[in-house]
Amino acid sequence: NAGVTQTPKFRVLKTGQSMTLLCAQDMNHEYMYWYRQDPGMGLRLIHYSVGEGTTAKGEVPDGYNVSRLKKQNFLLGLESAAPSQTSVYFCASSWGGTFSYEQYFGPGTRLTVT
Amino acid sequence: TQLLEQSPQFLSIQEGENLTVYCNSSSVFSSLQWYRQEPGEGPVLLVTVVTGGEVKKLKRLTFQFGDARKDSSLHITAAQPGDTGLYLCAGEDRGSQGNLIFGKGTKLSVKP
Repeated sequence: NAGVTQTPKFRVLKTGQSMTLLCAQDMNHEYMYWYRQDPGMGLRLIHYSVGEGTTAKGEVPDGYNVSRLKKQNFLLGLESAAPSQTSVYFCASSWGGTFSYEQYFGPGTRLTVT
Repeated sequence: TQLLEQSPQFLSIQEGENLTVYCNSSSVFSSLQWYRQEPGEGPVLLVTVVTGGEVKKLKRLTFQFGDARKDSSLHITAAQPGDTGLYLCAGEDRGSQGNLIFGKGTKLSVKP
């Protein structure tokens, strides 16, 4: 039982390049989330999904796209990376439902955009 | 907009000392969670409190939810170096499909 895994762990991009971050969970959770964590800013929600085939915008969605084609996977894409997207990205999942929003996090992806 | 303010931002203490960190808001939350994050890792859930006035204990950690469900505290007794980390509180955002509102965290350092 691996929980939540993220690929890759580290990545360096040049401005304008694109990439996809992969999140996988083996807990059969309905809800999945992508956050970014920056010093002094805390965890900020980028996009989330309440089920297979559904996605919604969070607090800071600009410059990112997501897809949830399979229940266990949630992909985060950067179409044209910018230095402002340098951050640590965390994926999380939860069962969903009132009082069941406890989230399980992956180990993170450290992204640097030069 | 719902906000959670955590205090203090930073705390450096010696092993064996007691400490309390706070999580405050002007909004009511359905539930509140506490997470601990160690360097280079993702946050790990410690506890969820649901009922106003609720107190939960996890070994040397005591969590309390305010009577009005707007605030919470975490008290650590006889802190150990293994307690070092970033402590995050998160409130369940009503009407937002399971989203949590995270505080910015309290960074705790416990020195031997």
